[in-house]
Amino acid sequence: EIVLTQSPGTLSLSPGERATLSCRASQSFSGSALAWYQQKPGQAPRLLIYGVSSRATGIPDRFSGSGSGTEFTLTISRLEPEDFAVYYCQQYGSAVPFTFGPGTKVNIK
Amino acid sequence: EVQLVQSGAEVKKPGESLKISCKASGFKFTSYWIGWVRQKPGKGLEWMGIVYPADSEVRYNPSFQGQVTISADKSINTAYLQWSSLKASDIAIYFCARHRTPYSGYDGFDYWGQGSLVTVSS
Repeated sequence: EIVLTQSPGTLSLSPGERATLSCRASQSFSGSALAWYQQKPGQAPRLLIYGVSSRATGIPDRFSGSGSGTEFTLTISRLEPEDFAVYYCQQYGSAVPFTFGPGTKVNIK
Repeated sequence: EVQLVQSGAEVKKPGESLKISCKASGFKFTSYWIGWVRQKPGKGLEWMGIVYPADSEVRYNPSFQGQVTISADKSINTAYLQWSSLKASDIAIYFCARHRTPYSGYDGFDYWGQGSLVTVSS
């Protein structure tokens, strides 16, 4: 099973600032099989990024994904008030299970 | 419009059985893998398994194999998650979700149900 580690656990930033979230895998996996999700309290997760760097339908371009191998990054270029949430990465490039990372909480500073 | 509508909150006693549902609409149900994700109170997301409704193939997370049963009924566009004997440790919100790409067994989830809260208490 591939284990995903996310850092930092919590990120405290102000609106307008840039957020950089990291996701590291315990081993490499095939293709570009990494997704990022946003979850707000009381809501289901929302797909932001798939295939490492492709934005899902309706996702603003301030969200971008990058990386390869075992190191991946989600960048939010300028935080909007609605971006304060928990962010999870997920890999789906190995045999099941398609694991999630533990999450990074982005707080308002 | 793609929708996944889950059954409502459940309160059960330890040892009881339970089957929760996820009704799909707005897309061809038999073309997409449907998955289940657990979220314990205040915790992260856990991938439980996926089912392909066209042939009912299921792929389980080994951590959940034998603990739950995932299934689908293509005649009514509904996926299921069931327990034969609930434990207190099963308290969680359970989400169903759809793989993004048709026919792909290796994918992320693009549409999610609203979640079903399962409470187990004596």
